Amino acid sequence: GIQVEQSPPDLILQEGANSTLRCNFSDSVNNLQWFHQNPWGQLINLFYIPSGTKQNGRLSATTVATERYSLLYISSSQTTDSGVYFCAVARSNTGNQFYFGTGTSLTVIP
Amino acid sequence: NAGVTQTPKFRVLKTGQSMTLLCAQDMNHEYMYWYRQDPGMGLRLIHYSVGEGTTAKGEVPDGYNVSRLKKQNFLLGLESAAPSQTSVYFCASSIWSGTGKYFGPGTRLTVL
Repeated sequence: GIQVEQSPPDLILQEGANSTLRCNFSDSVNNLQWFHQNPWGQLINLFYIPSGTKQNGRLSATTVATERYSLLYISSSQTTDSGVYFCAVARSNTGNQFYFGTGTSLTVIP
Repeated sequence: NAGVTQTPKFRVLKTGQSMTLLCAQDMNHEYMYWYRQDPGMGLRLIHYSVGEGTTAKGEVPDGYNVSRLKKQNFLLGLESAAPSQTSVYFCASSIWSGTGKYFGPGTRLTVL
């Protein structure tokens, strides 16, 4: 399989602060997705980003596939951003075997 | 539009019992997936389906069976539950593998 490492494993932020989450992967991939799991366990797809940069409100993501990493930026964090952020990768854009990292647990305190 | 729903939300089984988890989606997605999530770990793919009548093995398929008789439903079966199958099970669907996945709320299963 593909090894997916996420850092940091845990992060505590004051509301309003910015943060960068990192995802490193061990092999070439053509599919990369970021997910947020809220404190109630619900998983939400944030970005499908095999390469390049995307932005959605206060969140943005950048993937540099040639260097095998992706970054998730959270600006002006809010308490509702708390939860676990997962990165998942797949070798092929038509493949279904996604490999998940162990996540970054984010706690935003007011 | 309910999205992806899972039944049941919680279940406790004794070792050796069987059960079926139901996943339903109303988005007309072709692809459906079953994952398990264990404490401190990411999700691992159990089985998936690329369309009605098709199923395929994922990363951790042993001890599970699946069926996709109707496009909107994906069933996960445990024929003889083991304590190692205690986990949270998530179903997901997507238009195809290259698009974002929509997840159900999860089923928390405990096998005693």
